[in-house]
Amino acid sequence: DAGVTQSPTHLIKTRGQHVTLRCSPISGHKSVSWYQQVLGQGPQFIFQYYEKEERGRGNFPDRFSARQFPNYSSELNVNALLLGDSALYLCASSLRSANTEAFFGQGTRLTVV
Amino acid sequence: AQSVAQPEDQVNVAEGNPLTVKCTYSVSGNPYLFWYVQYPNRGLQFLLKYITGDNLVKGSYGFEAEFNKSQTSFHLKKPSALVSDSALYFCAVRPNDSWGKLQFGAGTQVVVTP
Repeated sequence: DAGVTQSPTHLIKTRGQHVTLRCSPISGHKSVSWYQQVLGQGPQFIFQYYEKEERGRGNFPDRFSARQFPNYSSELNVNALLLGDSALYLCASSLRSANTEAFFGQGTRLTVV
Repeated sequence: AQSVAQPEDQVNVAEGNPLTVKCTYSVSGNPYLFWYVQYPNRGLQFLLKYITGDNLVKGSYGFEAEFNKSQTSFHLKKPSALVSDSALYFCAVRPNDSWGKLQFGAGTQVVVTP
């Protein structure tokens, strides 16, 4: 069974540009969450989606948005990129239950120059 | 507000010696606790979780963790460390009334020397 897949793996963008990151969850998982991991820090929660609806949002500006599609895949969009948006963006999928673990993809390394 | 603390930025241990990575948490109610490991340029890999029941939880690759409610701690342990255990370890907490986000600690770099 395939794990969580993210694309692209690496990305270089210029300040002010827009970026779209993609995630496909594990088959059968309807919940997708996005995390930002800045070098030297733990992952920070950005969004959670379940059944195509936003179920949670972290402390990130409105430049960050996401959506989930009928096949439960998800996109994370970031507008007006800043140098500080450079990070590893992680997608996680899980079942809808607080006591189940989240499974993470390999991440997308975004560099903003 | 919930929080997770990993007091050690780095833990150094010789191969074959016991390994302990510390984690304390602050959350209302009874939390769900998790440990993840991250190898360079990779995503997070699940090791183990505490939900309820026995305070000693066994996980993948010989790791175990001890839940201590009175000390609000969830330390990760391995009786005999391997060089291949060298990686970045994250403790995470999720309140049991919130099935959404995980709150992660800052991470502890484990270095196992031959």
